[in-house]
Amino acid sequence: RKEVEQDPGPFNVPEGATVAFNCTYSNSASQSFFWYRQDCRKEPKLLMSVYSSGNEDGRFTAQLNRASQYISLLIRDSKLSDSATYLCVVNMGGNKLVFGAGTILRVKS
Amino acid sequence: SQTIHQWPATLVQPVGSPLSLECTVEGTSNPNLYWYRQAAGRGLQLLFYSVGIGQISSEVPQNLSASRPQDRQFILSSKKLLLSDSGFYLCAWRLPGNTIYFGEGSWLTVV
Repeated sequence: RKEVEQDPGPFNVPEGATVAFNCTYSNSASQSFFWYRQDCRKEPKLLMSVYSSGNEDGRFTAQLNRASQYISLLIRDSKLSDSATYLCVVNMGGNKLVFGAGTILRVKS
Repeated sequence: SQTIHQWPATLVQPVGSPLSLECTVEGTSNPNLYWYRQAAGRGLQLLFYSVGIGQISSEVPQNLSASRPQDRQFILSSKKLLLSDSGFYLCAWRLPGNTIYFGEGSWLTVV
């Protein structure tokens, strides 16, 4: 089993749609969690951290479910500019950050 | 504020040639430094990380090496490139307990 797994997609959604991605992790002792966004041929950039109580940043909501060992990202009112690859990142402890392979989102008009 | 610079941005190298990618971080002290590689259509693979000058941990055995001659400088090298070394190389920095920030990346094509 991979340490961090994501559905690769692509998720093809119309503008204005709500879309959600999940990311599962194998290490129950994982300490912190993040979502990154990566545009084509660019470096990944931090989208948001994921807190135990869940957190929201505008149209984006992140959730953590420790019991089931997954994190989620919800995007409401999708924009064309949301098209990108979304990477989940899990801090497994110490210096070990593990990246998922990413989920491709395509928002279409 | 902290910034990270990585170069060169793009390079095309013949098989068997050497490689040197350089990365520097400004605006912070004693960061953890990382080299990742992303092959086409694949996830990020951690190659090396460093917690201090001269301290290098290797995650994947291969023909690459890394060095940290100064606190905020991280270098990725190879003596002889293979075709399979092609990919997108990313330098990153992080303060312990915090999230990770990437440089703009270096596209390497081995021909």
